[in-house]
Amino acid sequence: KNEVEQSPQNLTAQEGEFITINCSYSVGISALHWLQQHPGGGIVSLFMLSSGKKKHGRLIATINIQEKHSSLHITASHPRDSAVYICAVRWAQETSGSRLTFGEGTQLTVNP
Amino acid sequence: ETGVTQTPRHLVMGMTNKKSLKCEQHLGHNAMYWYKQSAKKPLELMFVYNFKEQTENNSVPSRFSPECPNSSHLFLHLHTLQPEDSALYLCASSQEGGGTDSPLHFGNGTRLTVT
Repeated sequence: KNEVEQSPQNLTAQEGEFITINCSYSVGISALHWLQQHPGGGIVSLFMLSSGKKKHGRLIATINIQEKHSSLHITASHPRDSAVYICAVRWAQETSGSRLTFGEGTQLTVNP
Repeated sequence: ETGVTQTPRHLVMGMTNKKSLKCEQHLGHNAMYWYKQSAKKPLELMFVYNFKEQTENNSVPSRFSPECPNSSHLFLHLHTLQPEDSALYLCASSQEGGGTDSPLHFGNGTRLTVT
Protein backbone atom coordinates (compact mmCIF):
# COMPACT_ATOMS: atom_id res chain seq x y z
CA LYS A 1 0.00 0.00 0.00
CA ASN A 2 1.39 3.42 -0.94
CA GLU A 3 1.78 5.53 2.17
CA VAL A 4 2.73 9.00 3.29
CA GLU A 5 3.97 9.48 6.84
CA GLN A 6 4.59 12.75 8.61
CA SER A 7 6.50 13.46 11.80
CA PRO A 8 6.03 14.74 14.33
CA GLN A 9 2.24 14.66 14.69
CA ASN A 10 2.36 17.60 17.07
CA LEU A 11 5.05 20.21 17.55
CA THR A 12 5.21 23.08 20.03
CA ALA A 13 7.91 25.73 19.66
CA GLN A 14 8.86 29.10 21.07
CA GLU A 15 8.79 32.13 18.85
CA GLY A 16 12.05 32.48 16.94
CA GLU A 17 12.91 28.78 16.90
CA PHE A 18 13.92 26.89 13.75
CA ILE A 19 11.31 24.25 12.93
CA THR A 20 11.51 21.09 10.85
CA ILE A 21 8.61 18.91 9.77
CA ASN A 22 9.30 15.63 8.01
CA CYS A 23 7.51 13.61 5.34
CA SER A 24 8.40 10.11 4.17
CA TYR A 25 6.75 8.13 1.42
CA SER A 26 6.86 4.53 0.35
CA VAL A 27 7.42 4.43 -3.44
CA GLY A 28 8.46 6.70 -6.29
CA ILE A 29 6.69 9.99 -6.80
CA SER A 30 6.42 12.58 -9.53
CA ALA A 31 5.65 15.50 -7.24
CA LEU A 32 5.34 16.39 -3.56
CA HIS A 33 3.20 19.18 -2.14
CA TRP A 34 3.40 21.00 1.17
CA LEU A 35 0.13 22.57 2.32
CA GLN A 36 -0.84 24.76 5.26
CA GLN A 37 -4.23 24.52 6.98
CA HIS A 38 -5.29 27.21 9.44
CA PRO A 39 -7.84 26.63 12.24
CA GLY A 40 -10.68 27.96 10.09
CA GLY A 41 -10.19 25.04 7.71
CA GLY A 42 -8.90 26.72 4.56
CA ILE A 43 -5.84 25.15 2.94
CA VAL A 44 -3.06 27.02 1.17
CA SER A 45 -0.50 25.42 -1.13
CA LEU A 46 3.00 26.32 0.05
CA PHE A 47 5.27 24.35 -2.26
CA MET A 48 5.19 21.82 -5.06
CA LEU A 49 8.50 20.16 -5.78
CA SER A 50 9.95 17.11 -7.47
CA SER A 51 13.63 17.59 -6.70
CA GLY A 52 16.06 19.78 -4.81
CA LYS A 53 14.98 22.70 -2.72
CA LYS A 54 12.57 25.63 -2.82
CA LYS A 55 12.46 28.74 -0.65
CA HIS A 56 9.71 31.27 -0.04
CA GLY A 57 10.30 33.86 2.65
CA ARG A 58 10.98 32.02 5.92
CA LEU A 59 9.86 28.67 4.51
CA ILE A 60 12.19 26.15 2.89
CA ALA A 61 11.19 22.80 1.40
CA THR A 62 13.68 20.11 0.47
CA ILE A 63 13.28 16.70 -1.07
CA ASN A 64 15.61 13.70 -1.33
CA ILE A 65 14.27 11.42 -4.03
CA GLN A 66 16.67 8.55 -3.27
CA GLU A 67 15.71 8.51 0.41
CA LYS A 68 12.01 9.17 -0.34
CA HIS A 69 11.95 11.98 2.17
CA SER A 70 11.05 15.66 2.28
CA SER A 71 11.39 18.32 4.96
CA LEU A 72 9.66 21.62 5.53
CA HIS A 73 11.69 24.14 7.50
CA ILE A 74 10.48 27.36 9.09
CA THR A 75 13.12 29.86 10.15
CA ALA A 76 12.49 32.48 12.86
CA SER A 77 9.11 30.97 13.68
CA HIS A 78 6.23 33.23 14.67
CA PRO A 79 2.87 32.56 16.38
CA ARG A 80 1.11 33.22 13.07
CA ASP A 81 2.87 30.11 11.69
CA SER A 82 0.67 28.02 13.99
CA ALA A 83 -1.31 25.72 11.69
CA VAL A 84 -1.49 22.16 10.42
CA TYR A 85 1.13 21.38 7.79
CA ILE A 86 0.22 18.65 5.33
CA CYS A 87 2.42 16.69 2.96
CA ALA A 88 0.83 15.22 -0.19
CA VAL A 89 2.36 13.20 -3.01
CA ARG A 90 1.50 12.19 -6.52
CA TRP A 91 2.74 8.67 -7.11
CA ALA A 92 4.91 8.14 -10.19
CA GLN A 93 2.46 5.64 -11.66
CA GLU A 94 -0.47 8.05 -11.43
CA THR A 95 -1.46 9.64 -14.72
CA SER A 96 -3.76 12.20 -13.16
CA GLY A 97 -2.27 15.17 -11.35
CA SER A 98 -5.38 15.30 -9.23
CA ARG A 99 -4.68 11.96 -7.59
CA LEU A 100 -2.77 12.98 -4.47
CA THR A 101 -2.21 10.94 -1.31
CA PHE A 102 -2.15 13.05 1.84
CA GLY A 103 -0.33 12.64 5.12
CA GLU A 104 -2.16 13.06 8.39
CA GLY A 105 -0.65 16.47 9.00
CA THR A 106 1.57 18.04 11.65
CA GLN A 107 -0.06 20.39 14.15
CA LEU A 108 2.39 23.23 14.83
CA THR A 109 1.91 25.63 17.72
CA VAL A 110 4.33 28.54 18.11
CA ASN A 111 4.12 30.29 21.46
CA PRO A 112 5.08 33.95 21.91
CA GLU B 1 -9.35 35.88 -1.09
CA THR B 2 -8.43 32.35 -2.10
CA GLY B 3 -10.11 32.38 -5.51
CA VAL B 4 -12.24 29.41 -4.46
CA THR B 5 -15.40 30.24 -2.52
CA GLN B 6 -17.48 27.70 -0.62
CA THR B 7 -20.90 28.15 0.93
CA PRO B 8 -22.17 27.65 3.52
CA ARG B 9 -19.25 27.72 5.98
CA HIS B 10 -21.20 25.71 8.53
CA LEU B 11 -24.15 23.36 8.10
CA VAL B 12 -26.13 21.32 10.60
CA MET B 13 -28.62 18.87 9.16
CA GLY B 14 -30.74 15.98 10.28
CA MET B 15 -30.43 12.55 8.71
CA THR B 16 -33.62 13.02 6.68
CA ASN B 17 -32.75 16.46 5.30
CA LYS B 18 -31.60 17.34 1.82
CA LYS B 19 -29.03 20.09 1.46
CA SER B 20 -26.41 21.23 -1.04
CA LEU B 21 -22.89 22.55 -0.75
CA LYS B 22 -21.71 25.08 -3.30
CA CYS B 23 -18.27 25.85 -4.65
CA GLU B 24 -17.24 28.55 -7.10
CA GLN B 25 -13.78 29.22 -8.51
CA HIS B 26 -12.67 32.44 -10.13
CA LEU B 27 -9.28 31.20 -11.32
CA GLY B 28 -10.13 29.94 -14.79
CA HIS B 29 -9.17 26.38 -13.84
CA ASN B 30 -10.46 23.37 -15.76
CA ALA B 31 -10.63 20.87 -12.90
CA MET B 32 -12.56 20.88 -9.64
CA TYR B 33 -12.58 18.49 -6.70
CA TRP B 34 -14.46 17.56 -3.57
CA TYR B 35 -12.45 16.35 -0.58
CA LYS B 36 -13.61 15.08 2.80
CA GLN B 37 -11.58 15.70 5.95
CA SER B 38 -12.67 13.78 9.04
CA ALA B 39 -11.16 14.35 12.46
CA LYS B 40 -7.66 12.86 12.82
CA LYS B 41 -7.72 11.50 9.25
CA PRO B 42 -5.98 12.56 6.05
CA LEU B 43 -7.91 14.31 3.30
CA GLU B 44 -9.89 11.90 1.17
CA LEU B 45 -10.63 12.58 -2.47
CA MET B 46 -14.33 12.16 -3.26
CA PHE B 47 -14.95 13.43 -6.78
CA VAL B 48 -13.01 14.97 -9.66
CA TYR B 49 -14.39 16.95 -12.57
CA ASN B 50 -12.31 17.83 -15.62
CA PHE B 51 -13.93 20.14 -18.14
CA LYS B 52 -17.29 19.56 -16.42
CA GLU B 53 -17.00 15.77 -16.86
CA GLN B 54 -16.72 13.55 -13.81
CA THR B 55 -13.47 11.66 -14.13
CA GLU B 56 -13.28 10.13 -10.71
CA ASN B 57 -15.71 8.83 -8.11
CA ASN B 58 -13.69 7.46 -5.26
CA SER B 59 -16.20 4.84 -4.05
CA VAL B 60 -18.37 7.52 -2.49
CA PRO B 61 -21.83 6.45 -1.23
CA SER B 62 -24.76 7.52 -3.38
CA ARG B 63 -26.10 9.76 -0.62
CA PHE B 64 -23.47 12.20 -1.91
CA SER B 65 -24.31 13.45 -5.40
CA PRO B 66 -22.01 15.90 -7.23
CA GLU B 67 -23.03 18.30 -9.94
CA CYS B 68 -20.82 20.43 -12.16
CA PRO B 69 -22.92 22.68 -14.43
CA ASN B 70 -19.88 24.54 -15.78
CA SER B 71 -16.15 24.71 -15.16
CA SER B 72 -16.55 27.43 -12.50
CA HIS B 73 -19.23 25.86 -10.30
CA LEU B 74 -19.42 22.64 -8.36
CA PHE B 75 -22.14 21.37 -6.07
CA LEU B 76 -22.39 18.50 -3.63
CA HIS B 77 -25.98 17.41 -2.99
CA LEU B 78 -26.55 15.64 0.31
CA HIS B 79 -29.47 13.44 1.31
CA THR B 80 -30.17 10.90 4.05
CA LEU B 81 -26.72 11.36 5.53
CA GLN B 82 -25.37 9.49 8.55
CA PRO B 83 -23.72 10.98 11.66
CA GLU B 84 -20.36 9.57 10.49
CA ASP B 85 -20.60 11.86 7.47
CA SER B 86 -19.94 14.80 9.78
CA ALA B 87 -16.69 16.32 8.55
CA LEU B 88 -15.08 19.27 6.81
CA TYR B 89 -15.85 19.21 3.09
CA LEU B 90 -13.31 21.01 0.97
CA CYS B 91 -13.56 22.10 -2.62
CA ALA B 92 -10.44 22.65 -4.72
CA SER B 93 -9.53 23.56 -8.27
CA SER B 94 -6.48 23.28 -10.49
CA GLN B 95 -5.36 23.61 -14.07
CA GLU B 96 -4.85 20.11 -15.46
CA GLY B 97 -3.17 18.99 -18.64
CA GLY B 98 0.11 19.85 -20.30
CA GLY B 99 1.88 16.98 -18.57
CA THR B 100 2.81 18.93 -15.47
CA ASP B 101 1.44 19.10 -11.95
CA SER B 102 -0.55 22.13 -10.97
CA PRO B 103 -0.99 23.32 -7.35
CA LEU B 104 -4.41 22.83 -5.85
CA HIS B 105 -6.33 25.91 -4.74
CA PHE B 106 -8.67 25.16 -1.86
CA GLY B 107 -11.75 26.85 -0.53
CA ASN B 108 -12.27 27.42 3.20
CA GLY B 109 -14.49 24.37 3.49
CA THR B 110 -17.96 23.62 4.81
CA ARG B 111 -18.10 22.22 8.35
CA LEU B 112 -20.95 19.70 8.22
CA THR B 113 -22.61 18.23 11.28
CA VAL B 114 -25.20 15.49 10.84
CA THR B 115 -27.49 15.03 13.83
